[in-house]
Amino acid sequence: GQQVMQIPQYQHVQEGEDFTTYCNSSTTLSNIQWYKQRPGGHPVFLIQLVKSGEVKKQKRLTFQFGEAKKNSSLHITATQTTDVGTYFCAGAHYNQGGKLIFGQGTELSVKP
Amino acid sequence: NAGVTQTPKFRVLKTGQSMTLLCAQDMNHEYMYWYRQDPGMGLRLIHYSVGEGTTAKGEVPDGYNVSRLKKQNFLLGLESAAPSQTSVYFCASSSLTAFGVQYFGPGTRLTVT
Repeated sequence: GQQVMQIPQYQHVQEGEDFTTYCNSSTTLSNIQWYKQRPGGHPVFLIQLVKSGEVKKQKRLTFQFGEAKKNSSLHITATQTTDVGTYFCAGAHYNQGGKLIFGQGTELSVKP
Repeated sequence: NAGVTQTPKFRVLKTGQSMTLLCAQDMNHEYMYWYRQDPGMGLRLIHYSVGEGTTAKGEVPDGYNVSRLKKQNFLLGLESAAPSQTSVYFCASSSLTAFGVQYFGPGTRLTVT
């Protein structure tokens, strides 16, 4: 079936270091979304990428969508303690009624 | 606007008991979803609905039933709870016009002993 793999599962960084998480889909996606879940919280939408090769930035966060629309990455520059949480990618496929297939998530911890 | 709300927030069940989780949204969204979240497994889709009166199976539907009698409500039922259903359950909704962006409720933490 359709799968979205996300690595790494955990990442521990020192405050100020950079962080990257990667997603790979087994099939071509119509779009990919990124969500953040703070400890004890619920997933919150960050961004959506639709076009092949698209790059979007939100302050220190940079999101990329691969040319083949099968992979994506989230890069955080100079992490802060407020970045702590689990980051999920979620792939949407054409004609799938709005369903998303979530990656396993990358749990980021930041040491001050 | 409350967004997506879920009741209850916590529940402990004994094996074999039944319960219903309620999800409500006030955003007039057409689509609604039930997920379960387990450590290291991400979010797995249990059932979903593309409109009032319609439901469909997701990735892990066994042991669960759902109903969407009103557009704003989506109910998840466990007829005979099992320890394997210990999890955190999230409800989400999305709009037809928002390309699948989902808004999540705060979650229900369920323990089955």
